[in-house]
Amino acid sequence: DSGVTQTPKHLITATGQRVTLRCSPRSGDLSVYWYQQSLDQGLQFLIQYYNGEERAKGNILERFSAQQFPDLHSELNLSSLELGDSALYFCASSVRGRGPNTGELFFGEGSRLTVL
Amino acid sequence: DAKTTQPNSMESNEEEPVHLPCNHSTISGTDYIHWYRQLPSQGPEYVIHGLTSNVNNRMASLAIAEDRKSSTLILHRATLRDAAVYYCILRGGANSKLTFGKGITLSVRP
Repeated sequence: DSGVTQTPKHLITATGQRVTLRCSPRSGDLSVYWYQQSLDQGLQFLIQYYNGEERAKGNILERFSAQQFPDLHSELNLSSLELGDSALYFCASSVRGRGPNTGELFFGEGSRLTVL
Repeated sequence: DAKTTQPNSMESNEEEPVHLPCNHSTISGTDYIHWYRQLPSQGPEYVIHGLTSNVNNRMASLAIAEDRKSSTLILHRATLRDAAVYYCILRGGANSKLTFGKGITLSVRP
C-alpha cells in the first residue's frame, strides 16, 4: 500500500460525458502528479501540482483539467470524453515536505476509465 | 528531458542475479538516475536512485558508470514477483516530474 488513494477504481461511461477522478496523496505530501497509461502510449505525464499550485504541465488535452485543493487532495476532470480517452489514470505524490529532486514518487493503484 | 535507452525485454531464472542495463549518454550533471518498476495491474513503484556513487537498498543495487552515461540495476536473486516492467528515468530539477519511456520487460522463469 503506497498510501495514495484513488477513486473510483473503475469507471465506465459514454462518449461526450464528463468524469472526475479523485486522488488523496500520502499524508503530508505536497506534490501531486497525474499520469495517463494507455496500451499504445505508455505512461504519459499529464500535470503536476505543488501545494495547490500548478507546477508542470505535460501533454494534457484542453478537455482535461485538474486542481489541488487546500487539503492537498487533487481531482482530474475529463470532459467531452472520446473513445481514445480510455486508459488507466494514475496519481502519485512525492515525499513529505518540499519534495527534493531525489524524492521518490508514490503511485496509487489507478483509476481505469472505459469510454464506450 | 534527457533520454534513456533500455532493451525491450530480458529473461532470467528464478534465484539468479539479474542485470538490467540503461544508457543515458546525454545525462546532465544534475540529473539523478531513478529506477521504477510496474508489476502487472499495479501502479509504478520506486526501486532505487543515485547520482554518482553505486547505491544499495533492500530491493536492488544500482551501479553507475564513472562517466555516468550508463547504469545497471541489479536484482541479486530474482523471484517470480520481480517480473515487471522496469523503467530507467533521469530526473532533473527540484520537485520535477518523471518522464517514463517504454522500459524493459523482465520475465522470470521458475
